This record gives sequence, C-alpha cells and structure tokens, in this order.
Amino acid sequence: EEQLVESGGGLVQPGGSLRLSCAASGFTFGTYSMNWVRQAPGKGLEWVANIKEDGSERKYVDSVKGRFTCSRDNAKNSLYLQMNSLRADDTAVYYCARERAGDIYYYGMDVWGPGTTVFVSS
Amino acid sequence: AIQLTQSPSSLSASVGDRVTITCRASQGMSSALDWYQQKPGKAPKLLIYDASSLETGVPSRFSGSGSGTDFTLTISSLQPEDFATYYCQQFNSYPHPTWTFGQGTKVEIK
Repeated sequence: EEQLVESGGGLVQPGGSLRLSCAASGFTFGTYSMNWVRQAPGKGLEWVANIKEDGSERKYVDSVKGRFTCSRDNAKNSLYLQMNSLRADDTAVYYCARERAGDIYYYGMDVWGPGTTVFVSS
Repeated sequence: AIQLTQSPSSLSASVGDRVTITCRASQGMSSALDWYQQKPGKAPKLLIYDASSLETGVPSRFSGSGSGTDFTLTISSLQPEDFATYYCQQFNSYPHPTWTFGQGTKVEIK
C-alpha cells in the first residue's frame, strides 16, 4: 500500500523552530516530486512547498520563503520541512502529498499523509 | 499569481440531487486543474485530475469539465458519503511554477 506518514508536529513558541518529517512506503519515493500543504484551523488548503524528485529544485509559497526549507533523503524514503522563525499564522495541520507529474503533464497530488499539527503560541 | 474562486462557498442538498461546483481562474490556464474531497479531520482525496479525468477508484457519479478559466465538478446523484468540502487546485508552470487551491465548497445535508 502506498503510504505517507507525517511526524514532528507540536507546540512551539513564536520565533521557534520545528522539523517535520514525512515517511513514505509502498512506492519508489525517489521518482516523485513531493509537496507540503497546510490547513489552518477552520480554513482551506494552502500549498507550502514543492521539491523535485532529486531535490534539485524547491519552490515555496511567498509567506514561508526564507523561513522554511524543504529537503528529502531518497535513501531513507523521507521528506522534511524545517520551519524556522515560526509565527502564529503558521499554526496548521501540515500534510505531505505525492505529486504525479512529468515534464509535460500534471496529474494532481494523489497520495496524502494524515497530517501533523503545528501550534505556534506563547 | 492565478487565483481560483469557487462558487458557491457552501450549499445544502439532498441525497439524490445533482450538484455542480464551479472553479473560476483569474486568468486563462492549462487543463492542470484538479478536484479534491476532504472530510472533517481527514486528508484531502484526489477525485478528478487534468480537469476531466476520473481518479482510479472514484465513483463515476463524479465528473469534471472545463477549460481556460472555467471549470466544473459535478456529482450526478449525491450520496450520503459525499457530504464534505471540495477544493479545486491548479498547477501553473509559467512564468514560474505555482500551486493554488480554491477556497473550498462545503456540501451539507439539506
């Protein structure tokens, strides 16, 4: 079964740091681009970051640029999100999601983890 | 950046009803438009990709259509398990890669 499981969420003070992990299983992790998507309490979905299959390219939503870093270890089938200088508005459930895309097509985010909750508060 | 506006933001419907949700892009885009279903406390689930392709395992009562700036998700006969929030999402590669979600449409029981 193709599966993603996030971990590393928790309560952190404003200005603090947190590292999220996403463990993949059941598929060849290193052949897929991956995304982080978040959802603030009672709000909609917001794309946060994307990383290419080999980690060579990373993209971020403007609100996290310079604060968040997405990385991956294909040997460990793992995706990471290092979050620094956290703010109250970063409070959300963070999901990792597999992207099904190629050079000339995009077919959506087809596998999602259950999410991990980040709460930024003093 | 492209913005996606879904309408309505919420709707009430009965089992068996035909339901249509619209997603409008702020500018013309490719067909890389997807639809997701999310139930409370759960991760989103991909229903439709590339505007009109049904994801494997998704019931055929779900369908998608559209191109350019206007896209539609239709549920032909609403079932009890379909009460959820639905999101459109687009990927745009020009001038640089961006991923955008609509604000969501909550489908509630009438």
